[in-house]
Amino acid sequence: QKEVEQDPGPLSVPEGAIVSLNCTYSNSAFQYFMWYRQYSRKGPELLMYTYSSGNKEDGRFTAQVDKSSKYISLFIRDSQPSDSATYLCAMSVGGADGLTFGKGTHLIIQP
Amino acid sequence: GAGVSQSPSNKVTEKGKDVELRCDPISGHTALYWYRQSLGQGLEFLIYFQGNSAPDKSGLPSDRFSAERTGGSVSTLTIQRTQQEDSAVYLCASSLGKADTQYFGPGTRLTVL
Repeated sequence: QKEVEQDPGPLSVPEGAIVSLNCTYSNSAFQYFMWYRQYSRKGPELLMYTYSSGNKEDGRFTAQVDKSSKYISLFIRDSQPSDSATYLCAMSVGGADGLTFGKGTHLIIQP
Repeated sequence: GAGVSQSPSNKVTEKGKDVELRCDPISGHTALYWYRQSLGQGLEFLIYFQGNSAPDKSGLPSDRFSAERTGGSVSTLTIQRTQQEDSAVYLCASSLGKADTQYFGPGTRLTVL
């Protein structure tokens, strides 16, 4: 079992829909949680960063962390075709160490 | 401002050759990371530099891989005697300090024939 599990998709939804992306993890020592967006042939771009359980909102994006269930989510409201990309969850133990990534979910927003 | 830059953007080499990949972090960032992204394995941590401290090499897959960081800025990842399984995108990231956001470069796509 990988430390971080993420459904690779593809996940295809119509424009305007609410998107839910999820990761589960097995290492209870993880304390810092991130979501990155990666467009084809580009480097990952940070979307959300959190180090506590609960919700964090930024514009159309909401990150949710449930440490008791070892489960994190990213919600995208009012999805746009420009949101089509691969979304990677990432986490670390101390915040300064190398990140452990999920394999990424390929998201397609249909116009 | 300028982000993390990497060179070359693409590298094709023959099995058994050595390759060097370069990373220029964001100016003033003290932490620098190397990752590898391949189809089968996803994004994997390789090595981490923080200031003048000894690097964290815990993610390097074999002793054919090494990295150095000169003057606390530019870093070079070297792969000796390349194998076909080394084919991947090699990504560099930098952060201002410990526990800060990691900003990624565009990567170097390595193909070993």
